[in-house]
Amino acid sequence: GENVEQHPSTLSVQEGDSAVIKCTYSDSASNYFPWYKQELGKRPQLIIDIRSNVGEKKDQRIAVTLNKTAKHFSLHITETQPEDSAVYFCAAPSGYALNFGKGTSLLVTP
Amino acid sequence: SQTIHQWPATLVQPVGSPLSLECTVEGTSNPNLYWYRQAAGRGLQLLFYSVGIGQISSEVPQNLSASRPQDRQFILSSKKLLLSDSGFYLCAWRMGQGYGYTFGSGTRLTVV
Repeated sequence: GENVEQHPSTLSVQEGDSAVIKCTYSDSASNYFPWYKQELGKRPQLIIDIRSNVGEKKDQRIAVTLNKTAKHFSLHITETQPEDSAVYFCAAPSGYALNFGKGTSLLVTP
Repeated sequence: SQTIHQWPATLVQPVGSPLSLECTVEGTSNPNLYWYRQAAGRGLQLLFYSVGIGQISSEVPQNLSASRPQDRQFILSSKKLLLSDSGFYLCAWRMGQGYGYTFGSGTRLTVV
């Protein structure tokens, strides 16, 4: 199945700075890459996704970039706010399911 | 619009007792359905998935089982719980490959 590596495992930034989380995948045929945000005690929620026919997608302060050649994709959060503090998971297809990275705990300090 | 319901929200069960968690989806037909488990502070482990009624695929050997008796109903069961079954159980659905999941609100299971 698909192997998804996510880095870093923890990230601390000051409010207003940018945060970048990176994931690599192993299956070159993978064509869909979602990102999820999970606040403490809650369910993961889809925040942005990208398909392999584009290299970048942006939604307000968040963006995702995809490098198919290198088989990695990244989540970029600009102008971070305390409410961005959460665990973020990347995922890639594995058969009929999604395999998730191990998560990045992001802390935004005021 | 589509909604997903999962219950109960919390459960405390003794070792050796049975388990039944239920998940239903509304507003769509023939969804792909999934059960994931998340141990405290850990990632998301796929347990089962189903692409149709009566079709169940298991990803890890364990004492859990899943069933899909109706198109939009997915049930996670165990005959005898182990301490290691404690965790946060999440049901999810999606339209098919190439789409993201929508997760249910989760069940926090503590086996004592």
